[in-house]
Amino acid sequence: SYVLTQPPSVSVAPGQTARITCGGNNIGSKSVHWYQQKPGQAPVLVVYDDSDRPSGIPERFSGSNSGNTATLTISRVEAGDEADYYCQVWDSSSDQEVFGGGTKLTVL
Amino acid sequence: QLQLQESGSGLVKPSQTLSLTCAVSGGSISSGGYSWSWIRQPPGKGLEWIGYIYHSGSTYYNPSLKSRVTISVDRSKNQFSLKLSSVTAADTAVYYCARGIVVVPAAYNWFDPWGQGTLVTVSS
Repeated sequence: SYVLTQPPSVSVAPGQTARITCGGNNIGSKSVHWYQQKPGQAPVLVVYDDSDRPSGIPERFSGSNSGNTATLTISRVEAGDEADYYCQVWDSSSDQEVFGGGTKLTVL
Repeated sequence: QLQLQESGSGLVKPSQTLSLTCAVSGGSISSGGYSWSWIRQPPGKGLEWIGYIYHSGSTYYNPSLKSRVTISVDRSKNQFSLKLSSVTAADTAVYYCARGIVVVPAAYNWFDPWGQGTLVTVSS
């Protein structure tokens, strides 16, 4: 089945830019969605269809997808952005939704 | 604003069937263009998609769970349900329900919103 690979952790100082990657074979041909999960809370959609933002999500959150890597970019990182982030795609070859293993974002 | 709320038994014995319900409020489960989904998260681990049911009644399940999973909809109560049979300790997890937004004709989903989740423990 299709595998999505995320770095276990990313650290960034407040005000800097965080980039969280999601690797997969030819992932650029798929639509990638991103979720933020804070401790003890349900996941929240922050980017869908590679780069679109749901209403209410700050413009600081953006996404891109090309080749074998999709990237969630968080600009001007704030302490409140500290969370786990998951990518997700639909794998048509096995008819299943697939999540990445998650990345813990730490704000230093 | 659509809201989802999971309910069901928080403790299930090994080999028995896990049963959960997701009540939908603020919108109709009969609206087209959506799927109604279950996703779980073992303690301290990542997310795992279980399956979903489309407005048409079609179901899609995680191949690794397919033999044990049933998802159904009760339109009269505006809710949908999950049954997972022959559970083991490996099925211990927080179970989330979520609405999937379906993109056609590609037929892929993203999930928004999610319920708050309910912890199900499998133990004798």
